[in-house]
Amino acid sequence: AQKITQTQPGMFVQEKEAVTLDCTYDTSDQSYGLFWYKQPSSGEMIFLIYQGSYDEQNATEGRYSLNFQKARKSANLVISASQLGDSAMYFCAMRERPGGYQKVTFGTGTKLQVIP
Amino acid sequence: DSGVTQTPKHLITATGQRVTLRCSPRSGDLSVYWYQQSLDQGLQFLIHYYNGEERAKGNILERFSAQQFPDLHSELNLSSLELGDSALYFCASSVDEGNEQFFGPGTRLTVL
Repeated sequence: AQKITQTQPGMFVQEKEAVTLDCTYDTSDQSYGLFWYKQPSSGEMIFLIYQGSYDEQNATEGRYSLNFQKARKSANLVISASQLGDSAMYFCAMRERPGGYQKVTFGTGTKLQVIP
Repeated sequence: DSGVTQTPKHLITATGQRVTLRCSPRSGDLSVYWYQQSLDQGLQFLIHYYNGEERAKGNILERFSAQQFPDLHSELNLSSLELGDSALYFCASSVDEGNEQFFGPGTRLTVL
């Protein structure tokens, strides 16, 4: 089974609208972390937001929020008020500690295009 | 700018050759991670070092090796290069072994 599943290879959103990028994960660890990264066409990986498995509140960072549903093992990224500069690849990732050693797994990504 | 630096930015070499990629983590970060991003395999975790000690290995080939030096910079050595090793190689760092990792700009390796 895939550890991180991003089912949307590509998405379009109108400028100023909100968009949700889906991410589901699979782990047997009780303690884990979930991340979202943005990769613009220039190639760099930009950290957006983090959610710990024990965090009770959904993480928020400016226009980014993480809709964490632990029972469903989903960690969807919500971008509010989309901007043209949000056009990029978005990766969901999970940190686990099997055997005490940290392991990070990335999803295959979602390509978001913001339409003017 | 994440504060993580990687050199060189681009590298073009031939099959069978050996190259070294260098990474300097953010000031104060003890953990360094290496990733390979290729079109067909996506972003793959290669190896993790914490304060000079290897902590975890991912999908790293035996032809590849890495180390983290006392000043915390890290090097990834790729030998007997094959066409399929062409990829973007990222280094990331974090304060400790948890939470967010900050990525460098990457080294684009092209093997001809």
